[in-house]
Amino acid sequence: AQSVSQHNHHVILSEAASLELGCNYSYGGTVNLFWYVQYPGQHLQLLLKYFSGDPLVKGIKGFEAEFIKSKFSFNLRKPSVQWSDTAEYFCAVNAALYGQNFVFGPGTRLSVLP
Amino acid sequence: EPEVTQTPSHQVTQMGQEVILRCVPISNHLYFYWYRQILGQKVEFLVSFYNNEISEKSEIFDDQFSVERPDGSNFTLKIRSTKLEDSAMYFCASSENKEDEQFFGPGTRLTVL
Repeated sequence: AQSVSQHNHHVILSEAASLELGCNYSYGGTVNLFWYVQYPGQHLQLLLKYFSGDPLVKGIKGFEAEFIKSKFSFNLRKPSVQWSDTAEYFCAVNAALYGQNFVFGPGTRLSVLP
Repeated sequence: EPEVTQTPSHQVTQMGQEVILRCVPISNHLYFYWYRQILGQKVEFLVSFYNNEISEKSEIFDDQFSVERPDGSNFTLKIRSTKLEDSAMYFCASSENKEDEQFFGPGTRLTVL
């Protein structure tokens, strides 16, 4: 069965600090990879996704993620965080050939201090 | 921009009662999903629905759960006899293709007393 792990439960940063959130998945086949963000009191929104091609994908709000197939990883990065990035971040995977449901990681709460 | 909507935003019910959570997926989407998130825990897949039938379901989705697309726009999740442990945030999602990005609704917070 697929599983997704996220390295950190809670990350606390000061504004302008760089961010990297780890995500690893366990699935032997071809996968589609996603990062979703959940701002306080809001619903899940897509930050970025990877299906194929360039393993470095850019998303909204200055976020990017790198797919490293050999490490089964899809880490999320942002060079300089803002207070408004305070949110819960979820990595998600679905099997490319079979779809359909996402397997979500447990989430990482990011708190950015002003 | 089209979005997934869910009603109600918060539902409080007594244990043993039936609840129906409603969702309106994005109109040209063909795949529909329900997920739940128990407070403080991760988002868990419940069921996916395509072409008017369940295409996949998780172990959580037992006989007390059912889904329906009663008309061309709504997608409902029914819990027949709610239990305390059903208290969670329930998210509906839809996608155009089975592999593609899923668009999530704002969720319904279900509280079972």
